[in-house]
Amino acid sequence: EAGVAQSPRYKIIEKRQSVAFWCNPISGHATLYWYQQILGQGPKLLIQFQNNGVVDDSQLPKDRFSAERLKGVDSTLKIQPAKLEDSAVYLCASSRDRATEYFGPGTRLTVT
Amino acid sequence: EDQVTQSPEALRLQEGESSSLNCSYTVSGLRGLFWYRQDPGKGPEFLFTLYSAGEEKEKERLKATLTKKESFLHITAPKPEDSATYLCAVQANDYKLSFGAGTTVTVRA
Repeated sequence: EAGVAQSPRYKIIEKRQSVAFWCNPISGHATLYWYQQILGQGPKLLIQFQNNGVVDDSQLPKDRFSAERLKGVDSTLKIQPAKLEDSAVYLCASSRDRATEYFGPGTRLTVT
Repeated sequence: EDQVTQSPEALRLQEGESSSLNCSYTVSGLRGLFWYRQDPGKGPEFLFTLYSAGEEKEKERLKATLTKKESFLHITAPKPEDSATYLCAVQANDYKLSFGAGTTVTVRA
């Protein structure tokens, strides 16, 4: 069974630029999550989708972050405009039944 | 607010030197406690889920246990390939996962 796929793996941008990350979950997994992991910290949930709908986006900085999950499969996370403090690893995860979450390799974002 | 505290932050072991990692938590209704392993440059890899106090799970040299306030991850006779950051997370009744900051384990040959 293929795991969670993410791209790109690395991205370097300047502050105030925009960036987008892509995630393809494990086949058949209805729930998809985006996490932010700052160096030395554990992952922090940004947004959770159940199929096409948003379940929890309470920790998503909505003035600059947006996410969508079209057709209940792939998802994109966008940051516009980026700030220095957005430098982190962005992890995508999926689960079949909202129990065990399986993570992708992450996208390391550096904002200069 | 759900809180997860892991200790120690870092652990250096000699190959074969057994040790334990601690995860203490406060949560409004525990649905499950999860342990993940994270290697540098990779996403967290699922290890165990524990659901109730007294439960134990084992996988190779790793054994996880759970009480009402904390969980332990015991590493028995570790090998260099066990070097990684071990993350603990609690899932509350709303299914939301809250992670600790992790314990970075380094095993020297």
